[in-house]
Amino acid sequence: GDSVTQMEGPVTLSEEAFLTINCTYTATGYPSLFWYVQYPGEGLQLLLKATKADDKGSNKGFEATYRKETTSFHLEKGSVQVSDSAVYFCALSDPLDSNYQLIWGAGTKLIIKP
Amino acid sequence: DTAVSQTPKYLVTQMGNDKSIKCEQNLGHDTMYWYKQDSKKFLKIMFSYNNKELIINETVPNRFSPKSPDKAHLNLHINSLELGDSAVYFCASSLGVTGELFFGEGSRLTVL
Repeated sequence: GDSVTQMEGPVTLSEEAFLTINCTYTATGYPSLFWYVQYPGEGLQLLLKATKADDKGSNKGFEATYRKETTSFHLEKGSVQVSDSAVYFCALSDPLDSNYQLIWGAGTKLIIKP
Repeated sequence: DTAVSQTPKYLVTQMGNDKSIKCEQNLGHDTMYWYKQDSKKFLKIMFSYNNKELIINETVPNRFSPKSPDKAHLNLHINSLELGDSAVYFCASSLGVTGELFFGEGSRLTVL
């Protein structure tokens, strides 16, 4: 079945550092890919998405490119802030799944130190 | 004006009790979900309704019963609560099944 694998956290960085959170997937079809973010004490919110190969999703300084050849959707940000501290989830939606159910990664906790 | 609202936000109860969590969305979405998040932040889909029809019913104990009185509401009733039910339960909604979900703030259930 489909699956999403994220790098294990926590990831601890200093403010203004470069961020990469790795995400790879396996899917039967050609899925849409998503990054969601969960700030402390809150629900998840969609950060960015990409629906086809080579698409780049971007929002709030974060970017991720849909790489079909490496089945990856790594999240990047050039200069992180303390306010970026959160749990980040990679997810996919496979059109061959009759319910289009989202398949979630395990989440990666990001800690940014001032 | 909250888009997806859940009540209560916190729930502390004894083993064996029955409790309900309510969810309402004002986004005009036609699909609603219940997720369980454990202490390690792992997310598990429990149920999904599309236009009041159950479309996802994952393997959860039958002590959990969802009810959707209309497209804007999805409630979760839990019978005979157990220690392992302690978690944060999230309601979410979407327009169709696009993968773009809007989540509520969560309901933290603690079973003593």
